[in-house]
Amino acid sequence: GAGVSQSPSNKVTEKGKDVELRCDPISGHTALYWYRQSLGQGLEFLIYFQGNSAPDKSGLPSDRFSAERTGGSVSTLTIQRTQQEDSAVYLCASSLAGGWGNQPQHFGDGTRLSIL
Amino acid sequence: RKEVEQDPGPFNVPEGATVAFNCTYSNSASQSFFWYRQDCRKEPKLLMSVYSSGNEDGRFTAQLNRASQYISLLIRDSKLSDSATYLCVVTTDKLIFGTGTRLQVFP
Repeated sequence: GAGVSQSPSNKVTEKGKDVELRCDPISGHTALYWYRQSLGQGLEFLIYFQGNSAPDKSGLPSDRFSAERTGGSVSTLTIQRTQQEDSAVYLCASSLAGGWGNQPQHFGDGTRLSIL
Repeated sequence: RKEVEQDPGPFNVPEGATVAFNCTYSNSASQSFFWYRQDCRKEPKLLMSVYSSGNEDGRFTAQLNRASQYISLLIRDSKLSDSATYLCVVTTDKLIFGTGTRLQVFP
């Protein structure tokens, strides 16, 4: 498809398990962003990739969270030893150029993560 | 103080009404400004960029006031389909989202 693709769309898992979320950006977009949106909250920035490197990881809430991007394309966000407060919708976005300039971001449908 | 602040609403307006949202930002070095629309349980979608000179797209008008550090969005002739949450987005060294203003247009 032409848009940002995220998988899975829904994930339910038990507390303490590891989860891996995937994002496939729009072809040709060099910048990729991960956000999360908890119930009733605004969007919270997690991490930003320019190519395969992550110049800004400042939003990762703890060392249980990590992300990587390979081939300048697909990215995975991994949460280890999940906690109930990790329950949220995890959104991925991509943009044509890097940085936080004038390029608008295009969002995927998100992964709804529920920790039991 | 939050970096980007919006009135959470909800704004309940009848069809055909004109409604305006404001958003204030704290960092005077902010570079770019956008309005996103988010429907319930959906991802945000870009509505429009905001330029210093102000810009219009159909029924939607966006304004930027750098001196007072606020952005506005005006919606004229509201439609039922305009019901959504409107997110103000500002870039500094990262993208900062406001928590959104909820609009409900009723018949």
